[in-house]
Amino acid sequence: AQSVSQHNHHVILSEAASLELGCNYSYGGTVNLFWYVQYPGQHLQLLLKYFSGDPLVKGIKGFEAEFIKSKFSFNLRKPSVQWSDTAEYFCAVNARGNNRLAFGKGNQVVVIP
Amino acid sequence: GAGVSQSPSNKVTEKGKDVELRCDPISGHTALYWYRQSLGQGLEFLIYFQGNSAPDKSGLPSDRFSAERTGGSVSTLTIQRTQQEDSAVYLCASSLVQPNNSPLHFGNGTRLTVT
Repeated sequence: AQSVSQHNHHVILSEAASLELGCNYSYGGTVNLFWYVQYPGQHLQLLLKYFSGDPLVKGIKGFEAEFIKSKFSFNLRKPSVQWSDTAEYFCAVNARGNNRLAFGKGNQVVVIP
Repeated sequence: GAGVSQSPSNKVTEKGKDVELRCDPISGHTALYWYRQSLGQGLEFLIYFQGNSAPDKSGLPSDRFSAERTGGSVSTLTIQRTQQEDSAVYLCASSLVQPNNSPLHFGNGTRLTVT
């Protein structure tokens, strides 16, 4: 079964700083990749996804993620964060053809105004 | 349109009691998932329903946990003889499965506290 690793569980940074959250997965086959976000008091929602094609994926609110197949990675980036980006971010993976979605443990990101 | 609805939003129960958690998925979504979210542990897969197919129960942590989905819509997750380690937020999500790489739509969860 696939597994997902996220490092640096707690991240604190100032507004306008750049953000990069790492995500690595363990599965040798074709995968679908996702980043979900949970803002304080809200439900989980999709930030961006990769199924195929251009490995650089752009999502909502200025976020992007790059799929590097050779590194089994799907890191999330944002060049300049805002206070409203304070949230918990989850990377998720499912093997193509298998609908069971495996999540990482999440990154708690706090942006200081 | 309405999203995924879960009830109750909070549940406090005594150790040893049974609890039922309910999920109303988005209309037309054929796939339904239950996850458990514990502090610092991320989301733990519990069970997956897809249409009339046999559910994938491989994530259920013990035989005290069971779930059913009636009429391909509403789902209930039942925990029998609750233990303190069952305390967590139980999340339900639904998705379109055609194609089978559709994103999940999550409910707000049920926060279960076992005292």
